[in-house]
Amino acid sequence: QVQLVQSGAEVKKPGASVKVSCKASGYTFTGYYMHWVRQAPGQGLEWMGRINPNSGGTNYAQKFQGRVTMTRDTSISTAYMELSRLRSDDTAVYYCAREIVAAAGQRHFDYWGQGTLVTVSS
Amino acid sequence: DIQMTQSPSSLSASVGDRVTITCQASQDISNYLNWYQQKPGKAPKLLIYDASNLETGVPSRFSGSGSGTDFTFTISSLQPEDIATYYCQQYDNLPPLFTFGPGTKVDIK
Repeated sequence: QVQLVQSGAEVKKPGASVKVSCKASGYTFTGYYMHWVRQAPGQGLEWMGRINPNSGGTNYAQKFQGRVTMTRDTSISTAYMELSRLRSDDTAVYYCAREIVAAAGQRHFDYWGQGTLVTVSS
Repeated sequence: DIQMTQSPSSLSASVGDRVTITCQASQDISNYLNWYQQKPGKAPKLLIYDASNLETGVPSRFSGSGSGTDFTFTISSLQPEDIATYYCQQYDNLPPLFTFGPGTKVDIK
C-alpha cells in the first residue's frame, strides 16, 4: 500500500534552515509528482510547490521562491523540502502529498504524509 | 492568480441534516476542483476530485457538483464522524499552481 512517511518534528531559530524528508513506499516513486503543503497553527492549507521525482524539475509558489528548495533521492524513494531564512511565521505543519493526474489533465492529491511540525522560535 | 472563496466559513448542523458548502473561483477553472476533509491533528483526505467524482472508499453521502466558477459540496446526512474542516482546491496549469480555499469548519449542533 502507498505510504508517505515524513521526518520528525524540528525546532529552529530564526534565520536558520530546515530540511524535511518524505519517504515513499508502495508505488513507483518516479512516476508521480510530489508536493509540499503547509498549515500554520489554526490556519488553512498553503501550497508551497512540487517536484517531479523523475526529472528533478520543480515548480514553486511565488511566495516561497528563493527560500524553498525541493529535491529528491530516487535511490531511497525520498523527497526533501528545505526552507531557509526561517521566520516565526514559518511555524507550521509541513505535509508532503502525491499528485495524481487524470486522463483529461485534472490533478489532485491522493496520498499525504503524516505531517512534520516545524517550530521557529528564538 | 486564481482566488478561491468558500462559504460559509463555519456551520453547525444536527446529525442527519443536509449540509452544503460552496466554493467560488475568481475565473473559469472548468472542473479542476477537488474537495478534502481534514480532521483535527490529521492530514487532509481526498473526498471528491474533478468536481464530482467520489474517491474510492469515501461514503456516498458525500457529493460534489459544479463547473466553471461555482461549485458545491454536499453531505446528504451529516454524521458525527463528519466533524472536520473541508477545503476546496483548484489547479491552474500555467504556471502550475494549486490553490486551496480558506476552509469550512463543520460542527454538530
